[in-house]
Amino acid sequence: QKEVEQDPGPLSVPEGAIVSLNCTYSNSAFQYFMWYRQYSRKGPELLMYTYSSGNKEDGRFTAQVDKSSKYISLFIRDSQPSDSATYLCAMSESMNTGFQKLVFGTGTRLLVSP
Amino acid sequence: GAGVSQSPRYKVAKRGQDVALRCDPISGHVSLFWYQQALGQGPEFLTYFQNEAQLDKSGLPSDRFFAERPEGSVSTLKIQRTQQEDSAVYLCASSPLAGDLTDTQYFGPGTRLTVL
Repeated sequence: QKEVEQDPGPLSVPEGAIVSLNCTYSNSAFQYFMWYRQYSRKGPELLMYTYSSGNKEDGRFTAQVDKSSKYISLFIRDSQPSDSATYLCAMSESMNTGFQKLVFGTGTRLLVSP
Repeated sequence: GAGVSQSPRYKVAKRGQDVALRCDPISGHVSLFWYQQALGQGPEFLTYFQNEAQLDKSGLPSDRFFAERPEGSVSTLKIQRTQQEDSAVYLCASSPLAGDLTDTQYFGPGTRLTVL
């Protein structure tokens, strides 16, 4: 079993829909949680970053972390065709490594149709 | 300013050949990471440099994989005697600081390696 589980999709939604993307994890030492967006033939780019539990909002994006359930979510409001991409969750531990050693999920492919 | 660049963007190798993949990080970035992304999977950590020092190489799949960053800027990932299972996209990322767990990693576009 992988440390981070993520449904690969694809997830197809109409323009304007609210999108919910999720990951579960097994390593209780993870303290830093990130969401990356990856367009085809491109490298991942950081969307959201959250430390420990709680919510964080940035424009149309909201990230949630529930450490008690080992579950993180990314919500996208008013989805646009330009949001069509693969969304990767990523996590890292706190002090054991001394640097940001990311563990990624498999990524969920999102398709937003006009 | 320029982002992280990688070359070549695409590489086809015959099984058994050696390959070298180059990463040019953002100027001044202290930390540099290499990841391997297989088809339909998320990136997997390979190795980490802080300046020229390779502090973690725990993710390198075998001793056929070797990475270096001799002057603390450009990095090269070398794969000897390539195998079909080495086919993947190799991503390089850099971040400004050293040992900062909140730092943002900036990724390059990757090198797609196909081993025939």
